[in-house]
Amino acid sequence: NAGVMQNPRHLVRRRGQEARLRCSPMKGHSHVYWYRQLPEEGLKFMVYLQKENIIDESGMPKERFSAEFPKEGPSILRIQQVVRGDSAAYFCASDLGGANTEAFFGQGTRLTVV
Amino acid sequence: KQEVTQIPAALSVPEGENLVLNCSFTDSAIYNLQWFRQDPGKGLTSLLLIQSSQREQTSGRLNASLDKSSGRSTLYIAASQPGDSATYLCAVEDTGRRALTFGSGTRLQVQP
Repeated sequence: NAGVMQNPRHLVRRRGQEARLRCSPMKGHSHVYWYRQLPEEGLKFMVYLQKENIIDESGMPKERFSAEFPKEGPSILRIQQVVRGDSAAYFCASDLGGANTEAFFGQGTRLTVV
Repeated sequence: KQEVTQIPAALSVPEGENLVLNCSFTDSAIYNLQWFRQDPGKGLTSLLLIQSSQREQTSGRLNASLDKSSGRSTLYIAASQPGDSATYLCAVEDTGRRALTFGSGTRLQVQP
């Protein structure tokens, strides 16, 4: 039973390029969360999705960032026209939904913008 | 807005010591509190989840307590080992909101 799978593990992009980060939730989980960890900072919530629905995007920057979780396939976090300040570790978590369910995290994608 | 604080930010102890990590949160309207471990360059591993109705949870050498009314939790690690060296993160799930609010962590170093 594989855990939460994220790919790529490391991603290097030049300023102005697009970054696509993928997350496959744990088997049986239909709720996905994205968090960002800036260097020397804690994790900050970005977005919460269920299949084909964005439930809470209160932590997403208003521009250049988008997320989806299609009916088939992984969840995608997309960052357009990346800037140096986007360099961070991006973590995905999944759970069964409902209060008091344990969240399981992936290994993260470390994005470096050069 | 929920805020989570962890003290100390860093801790270095000799092997075998018992230690306590502290976590405080400003809004007591929570569903649960989770403790995680993060190794350098790695993801998060869930250690313990305490529901708001519970006072503590235990797993092996780890014991976590929750005092919701005062907005505090402690993680107790017994007989520390070098393999316990990692960053320990505390996170709360607020009532009515599924996202977790994290503290900035306690970086633990256990010296052999």
